[in-house]
Amino acid sequence: NAGVTQTPKFRVLKTGQSMTLLCAQDMNHEYMYWYRQDPGMGLRLIHYSVGEGTTAKGEVPDGYNVSRLKKQNFLLGLESAAPSQTSVYFCASDGGRAFYGYTFGSGTRLTVV
Amino acid sequence: DQQVKQNSPSLSVQEGRISILNCDYTNSMFDYFLWYKKYPAEGPTFLISISSIKDKNEDGRFTVFLNKSAKHLSLHIVPSQPGDSAVYFCASYDYNFNKFYFGSGTKLNVKP
Repeated sequence: NAGVTQTPKFRVLKTGQSMTLLCAQDMNHEYMYWYRQDPGMGLRLIHYSVGEGTTAKGEVPDGYNVSRLKKQNFLLGLESAAPSQTSVYFCASDGGRAFYGYTFGSGTRLTVV
Repeated sequence: DQQVKQNSPSLSVQEGRISILNCDYTNSMFDYFLWYKKYPAEGPTFLISISSIKDKNEDGRFTVFLNKSAKHLSLHIVPSQPGDSAVYFCASYDYNFNKFYFGSGTKLNVKP
């Protein structure tokens, strides 16, 4: 019972480099989310998806792109990394019952130098 | 502008005593309120939730209280155990936008 799996767990990028963060869930959830967590701030929503083939912008979408080609996978891309994107990124999924909360992955710690 | 605020970044409590974590919100239209617990190097895990139509919900040692007039919720842990040491996030759900708003977290340290 893996739940939500994020890869990689750690990454260091140089400014201007690109990378893709992968999120995979095995719970057949429709909804998936990408958040970032920064010191002193709550989790902020970057992008989300309400089903296969759909994506939508969250609170802080600039500099990121996403794709949901398969129901179980949600990819977060950084085309040209900036130091301001240094953060811990969490993926979450949800079966449509908000009262029971989201299932989060263990996070990806990204440092952009 | 944060819609959900946790004004105490940290809290230290002796084992066996009560831990009270607080959270304030600004939007009276929020439908649900949740608490998550987060250990280092792990993702947040759902702990307990409460609907806006209730003022209290209990689950074992954990109780969440909701004061709608004050736009305030709190999490009580009784008795506190060293294994409860973690960061606790509160979150508020806006049904109209299908969206959660998270607080910045409170780091709880339960001393043996």
